[in-house]
Amino acid sequence: QKEVEQDPGPLSVPEGAIVSLNCTYSNSAFQYFMWYRQYSRKGPELLMYTYSSGNKEDGRFTAQVDKSSKYISLFIRDSQPSDSATYLCAMRISNFGNEKLTFGTGTRLTIIP
Amino acid sequence: SQTIHQWPATLVQPVGSPLSLECTVEGTSNPNLYWYRQAAGRGLQLLFYSVGIGQISSEVPQNLSASRPQDRQFILSSKKLLLSDSGFYLCAWSVSTSTGYFYGYTFGSGTRLTVV
Repeated sequence: QKEVEQDPGPLSVPEGAIVSLNCTYSNSAFQYFMWYRQYSRKGPELLMYTYSSGNKEDGRFTAQVDKSSKYISLFIRDSQPSDSATYLCAMRISNFGNEKLTFGTGTRLTIIP
Repeated sequence: SQTIHQWPATLVQPVGSPLSLECTVEGTSNPNLYWYRQAAGRGLQLLFYSVGIGQISSEVPQNLSASRPQDRQFILSSKKLLLSDSGFYLCAWSVSTSTGYFYGYTFGSGTRLTVV
Protein backbone atom coordinates (compact mmCIF):
# COMPACT_ATOMS: atom_id res chain seq x y z
CA GLN A 1 0.00 0.00 0.00
CA LYS A 2 1.32 3.42 -0.95
CA GLU A 3 1.74 5.90 1.88
CA VAL A 4 -0.21 8.52 -0.08
CA GLU A 5 -3.00 7.71 -2.54
CA GLN A 6 -4.38 10.23 -5.02
CA ASP A 7 -6.85 9.69 -7.83
CA PRO A 8 -4.92 10.51 -11.03
CA GLY A 9 -8.02 11.63 -12.92
CA PRO A 10 -8.24 13.15 -15.42
CA LEU A 11 -11.00 15.34 -14.07
CA SER A 12 -12.92 17.72 -16.35
CA VAL A 13 -15.46 20.22 -15.03
CA PRO A 14 -17.23 23.25 -16.51
CA GLU A 15 -16.07 26.74 -15.67
CA GLY A 16 -17.61 28.05 -12.46
CA ALA A 17 -18.06 24.62 -10.89
CA ILE A 18 -16.71 23.61 -7.47
CA VAL A 19 -13.81 21.19 -7.74
CA SER A 20 -12.93 18.65 -5.07
CA LEU A 21 -9.51 16.98 -5.09
CA ASN A 22 -8.65 14.33 -2.53
CA CYS A 23 -5.81 12.32 -1.05
CA THR A 24 -5.72 9.57 1.53
CA TYR A 25 -2.72 8.50 3.54
CA SER A 26 -1.76 5.58 5.72
CA ASN A 27 1.04 6.97 7.90
CA SER A 28 -0.42 8.61 10.99
CA ALA A 29 2.94 10.31 11.61
CA PHE A 30 2.25 12.77 8.78
CA GLN A 31 1.63 16.18 10.33
CA TYR A 32 2.24 18.72 7.57
CA PHE A 33 -0.03 18.74 4.53
CA MET A 34 0.44 20.66 1.30
CA TRP A 35 -1.14 21.10 -2.09
CA TYR A 36 0.97 21.93 -5.12
CA ARG A 37 -0.21 23.07 -8.54
CA GLN A 38 1.82 22.12 -11.59
CA TYR A 39 1.23 23.57 -15.03
CA SER A 40 2.39 21.60 -18.03
CA ARG A 41 6.18 21.55 -18.40
CA LYS A 42 6.66 23.65 -15.26
CA GLY A 43 7.81 22.91 -11.72
CA PRO A 44 5.18 22.49 -8.99
CA GLU A 45 4.25 25.61 -7.01
CA LEU A 46 3.04 25.58 -3.42
CA LEU A 47 -0.67 26.41 -3.26
CA MET A 48 -1.82 25.60 0.26
CA TYR A 49 -0.09 24.49 3.44
CA THR A 50 -1.52 23.38 6.77
CA TYR A 51 -0.54 21.34 9.80
CA SER A 52 -3.79 21.04 11.68
CA SER A 53 -7.12 19.35 11.16
CA GLY A 54 -9.91 21.55 9.85
CA ASN A 55 -10.26 24.00 7.01
CA LYS A 56 -7.94 26.69 5.72
CA GLU A 57 -9.11 29.21 3.14
CA ASP A 58 -7.13 31.28 0.68
CA GLY A 59 -9.27 33.08 -1.85
CA ARG A 60 -11.09 30.52 -3.99
CA PHE A 61 -9.10 27.65 -2.48
CA THR A 62 -9.92 25.70 0.70
CA ALA A 63 -7.69 22.97 2.12
CA GLN A 64 -9.34 20.49 4.44
CA VAL A 65 -7.57 18.00 6.68
CA ASP A 66 -9.19 15.16 8.61
CA LYS A 67 -6.46 13.41 10.57
CA SER A 68 -8.85 10.93 12.17
CA SER A 69 -9.80 9.64 8.71
CA LYS A 70 -6.35 10.25 7.19
CA TYR A 71 -7.95 12.24 4.42
CA ILE A 72 -7.17 15.63 2.90
CA SER A 73 -9.04 17.64 0.30
CA LEU A 74 -8.60 20.74 -1.81
CA PHE A 75 -11.70 22.62 -2.90
CA ILE A 76 -11.65 25.17 -5.70
CA ARG A 77 -14.65 27.49 -5.91
CA ASP A 78 -15.71 29.35 -9.05
CA SER A 79 -13.21 27.35 -11.08
CA GLN A 80 -11.49 29.14 -13.96
CA PRO A 81 -9.77 27.83 -17.11
CA SER A 82 -6.50 29.05 -15.58
CA ASP A 83 -6.99 26.45 -12.82
CA SER A 84 -6.37 23.72 -15.41
CA ALA A 85 -3.25 21.96 -14.12
CA THR A 86 -2.08 18.90 -12.25
CA TYR A 87 -2.61 19.11 -8.49
CA LEU A 88 -0.32 17.18 -6.16
CA CYS A 89 -0.83 16.57 -2.49
CA ALA A 90 2.26 16.28 -0.30
CA MET A 91 2.86 15.31 3.31
CA ARG A 92 5.67 15.43 5.82
CA ILE A 93 6.40 13.77 9.11
CA SER A 94 6.86 16.30 11.87
CA ASN A 95 10.36 15.39 12.95
CA PHE A 96 12.95 18.12 13.14
CA GLY A 97 15.65 17.13 10.71
CA ASN A 98 13.31 15.00 8.59
CA GLU A 99 12.80 17.24 5.62
CA LYS A 100 11.41 14.79 3.10
CA LEU A 101 8.00 15.16 1.55
CA THR A 102 5.91 12.28 0.29
CA PHE A 103 3.89 13.22 -2.78
CA GLY A 104 0.73 11.85 -4.30
CA THR A 105 0.84 11.00 -8.00
CA GLY A 106 -1.21 14.09 -8.92
CA THR A 107 -4.68 14.71 -10.35
CA ARG A 108 -4.92 16.28 -13.77
CA LEU A 109 -7.71 18.88 -13.81
CA THR A 110 -9.23 20.57 -16.86
CA ILE A 111 -11.70 23.44 -16.55
CA ILE A 112 -13.88 23.66 -19.64
CA PRO A 113 -14.83 27.24 -20.68
CA SER B 1 13.59 37.13 -2.00
CA GLN B 2 14.58 33.56 -2.58
CA THR B 3 14.94 32.23 -6.11
CA ILE B 4 15.99 28.91 -7.55
CA HIS B 5 17.65 28.51 -10.92
CA GLN B 6 17.78 25.27 -12.84
CA TRP B 7 19.26 24.68 -16.27
CA PRO B 8 19.10 23.69 -19.01
CA ALA B 9 15.34 23.66 -19.59
CA THR B 10 15.53 20.97 -22.27
CA LEU B 11 18.19 18.43 -23.05
CA VAL B 12 18.47 15.65 -25.61
CA GLN B 13 21.34 13.27 -25.00
CA PRO B 14 22.42 9.98 -26.63
CA VAL B 15 22.57 6.77 -24.64
CA GLY B 16 25.92 6.36 -22.97
CA SER B 17 26.72 10.07 -22.83
CA PRO B 18 27.44 11.92 -19.56
CA LEU B 19 25.00 14.25 -17.82
CA SER B 20 25.36 17.32 -15.64
CA LEU B 21 22.37 19.30 -14.42
CA GLU B 22 22.91 22.28 -12.18
CA CYS B 23 20.71 23.98 -9.63
CA THR B 24 21.48 27.11 -7.64
CA VAL B 25 19.53 28.89 -4.94
CA GLU B 26 19.69 32.60 -4.11
CA GLY B 27 18.47 34.55 -1.12
CA THR B 28 18.81 31.91 1.56
CA SER B 29 21.59 30.12 3.38
CA ASN B 30 22.02 26.49 4.40
CA PRO B 31 18.97 25.26 2.49
CA ASN B 32 18.01 21.63 2.20
CA LEU B 33 18.29 20.68 -1.47
CA TYR B 34 16.52 17.95 -3.42
CA TRP B 35 16.56 16.31 -6.84
CA TYR B 36 13.32 14.75 -8.04
CA ARG B 37 12.43 12.94 -11.25
CA GLN B 38 8.94 12.99 -12.67
CA ALA B 39 8.21 10.41 -15.37
CA ALA B 40 5.25 10.85 -17.71
CA GLY B 41 2.02 10.00 -15.90
CA ARG B 42 3.80 9.24 -12.65
CA GLY B 43 4.44 11.08 -9.43
CA LEU B 44 7.55 12.75 -8.11
CA GLN B 45 10.36 10.37 -7.25
CA LEU B 46 12.94 11.65 -4.79
CA LEU B 47 16.43 10.87 -6.09
CA PHE B 48 18.79 12.72 -3.74
CA TYR B 49 18.64 15.20 -0.92
CA SER B 50 21.27 17.22 0.88
CA VAL B 51 21.21 18.99 4.24
CA GLY B 52 24.65 20.58 3.82
CA ILE B 53 27.82 20.90 1.74
CA GLY B 54 29.14 17.49 0.81
CA GLN B 55 26.22 15.71 2.51
CA ILE B 56 24.24 13.64 0.02
CA SER B 57 21.60 11.03 0.71
CA SER B 58 20.47 8.73 -2.07
CA GLU B 59 16.92 7.44 -2.12
CA VAL B 60 17.04 5.00 -5.03
CA PRO B 61 19.86 2.90 -6.57
CA GLN B 62 20.63 4.09 -10.08
CA ASN B 63 23.40 5.31 -12.34
CA LEU B 64 22.90 8.89 -11.22
CA SER B 65 24.91 10.75 -8.58
CA ALA B 66 24.62 14.13 -6.89
CA SER B 67 27.09 16.57 -5.42
CA ARG B 68 26.86 19.76 -3.40
CA PRO B 69 30.15 21.62 -3.83
CA GLN B 70 28.79 24.88 -2.41
CA ASP B 71 26.04 25.77 0.06
CA ARG B 72 23.60 26.86 -2.62
CA GLN B 73 24.66 24.64 -5.52
CA PHE B 74 23.38 21.16 -6.23
CA ILE B 75 24.50 19.09 -9.22
CA LEU B 76 22.99 15.93 -10.69
CA SER B 77 25.34 13.81 -12.78
CA SER B 78 25.65 10.60 -14.69
CA LYS B 79 28.67 9.02 -16.35
CA LYS B 80 26.59 7.05 -18.87
CA LEU B 81 22.95 7.78 -19.53
CA LEU B 82 20.37 5.02 -20.05
CA LEU B 83 17.12 5.27 -21.99
CA SER B 84 15.29 4.87 -18.68
CA ASP B 85 16.88 8.10 -17.41
CA SER B 86 14.52 10.13 -19.60
CA GLY B 87 12.16 12.29 -17.59
CA PHE B 88 11.49 15.67 -16.04
CA TYR B 89 14.12 16.53 -13.42
CA LEU B 90 13.25 18.98 -10.72
CA CYS B 91 15.43 20.66 -8.14
CA ALA B 92 13.85 21.97 -4.94
CA TRP B 93 14.89 23.64 -1.72
CA SER B 94 13.44 23.99 1.76
CA VAL B 95 14.35 25.63 5.02
CA SER B 96 13.32 24.77 8.54
CA THR B 97 13.56 27.16 11.44
CA SER B 98 15.46 26.32 14.62
CA THR B 99 12.14 25.31 16.16
CA GLY B 100 11.51 22.86 13.36
CA TYR B 101 8.89 24.92 11.55
CA PHE B 102 8.75 24.00 7.90
CA TYR B 103 7.72 26.21 5.01
CA GLY B 104 7.36 23.64 2.24
CA TYR B 105 9.44 23.09 -0.85
CA THR B 106 10.16 25.57 -3.61
CA PHE B 107 10.76 23.95 -6.96
CA GLY B 108 12.81 25.04 -9.93
CA SER B 109 11.36 25.15 -13.42
CA GLY B 110 12.73 21.72 -14.30
CA THR B 111 14.85 20.09 -17.01
CA ARG B 112 13.19 17.85 -19.54
CA LEU B 113 15.74 15.16 -20.42
CA THR B 114 15.26 12.88 -23.40
CA VAL B 115 17.78 10.09 -23.84
CA VAL B 116 17.87 8.81 -27.43
